[in-house]
Amino acid sequence: DAGVIQSPRHEVTEMGQEVTLRCKPISGHDYLFWYRQTMMRGLELLIYFNNNVPIDDSGMPEDRFSAKMPNASFSTLKIQPSEPRDSAVYFCASSLGHQPGTGLNTEAFFGQGTRLTVV
Amino acid sequence: AQKVTQAQTEISVVEKEDVTLDCVYETRDTTYYLFWYKQPPSGELVFLIRRNSFDEQNEISGRYSWNFQKSTSSFNFTITASQVVDSAVYFCALSEAWGNKLVFGAGTILRVKS
Repeated sequence: DAGVIQSPRHEVTEMGQEVTLRCKPISGHDYLFWYRQTMMRGLELLIYFNNNVPIDDSGMPEDRFSAKMPNASFSTLKIQPSEPRDSAVYFCASSLGHQPGTGLNTEAFFGQGTRLTVV
Repeated sequence: AQKVTQAQTEISVVEKEDVTLDCVYETRDTTYYLFWYKQPPSGELVFLIRRNSFDEQNEISGRYSWNFQKSTSSFNFTITASQVVDSAVYFCALSEAWGNKLVFGAGTILRVKS
């Protein structure tokens, strides 16, 4: 498998513009996560989906942020309008959820991230 | 609430030295999972290990070893005979039994000098 694929890798945009980040999870994974990494706040969970349904969006900073997962192989994170404080690295991750047979939680695999700069 | 503390902000060692990265966690759950991830200079997050709260066996994988102690709520990571390629930011993380969402520590920057 190619792993979690994110696009674009880098995005530079002007304040006020709409930004859309894209993610293709690993095939067969039931969970998809969006994380944000900044110097000030570290790695923080924004939202996660289970079987394409948003489960917890309590980490989404404000209404300017929205995320969708229209099918099992694609998710988007949209910021509209963008602001300079949104500049960060955004990671998408996916996991199988629970190990077949044992029911144990499995690990999440991360994409390479999208470095967003809002000027 | 869940919390992960990595008190060491940055560690510098000389190649071939052993180094231990500390991780202390807080949770009210009786079932939980602990993880270590590596973030090399290229920026991606690489999974290293997952541990269940009911399995306190220490684990060794090549030069890497992990010490899980529930009594002290710690999950420490030791690199034996460090190499320059080990230079990275290392994150400890915690997840609850349901949901798989990760709470990360602040990370420890490891610099291995030749």
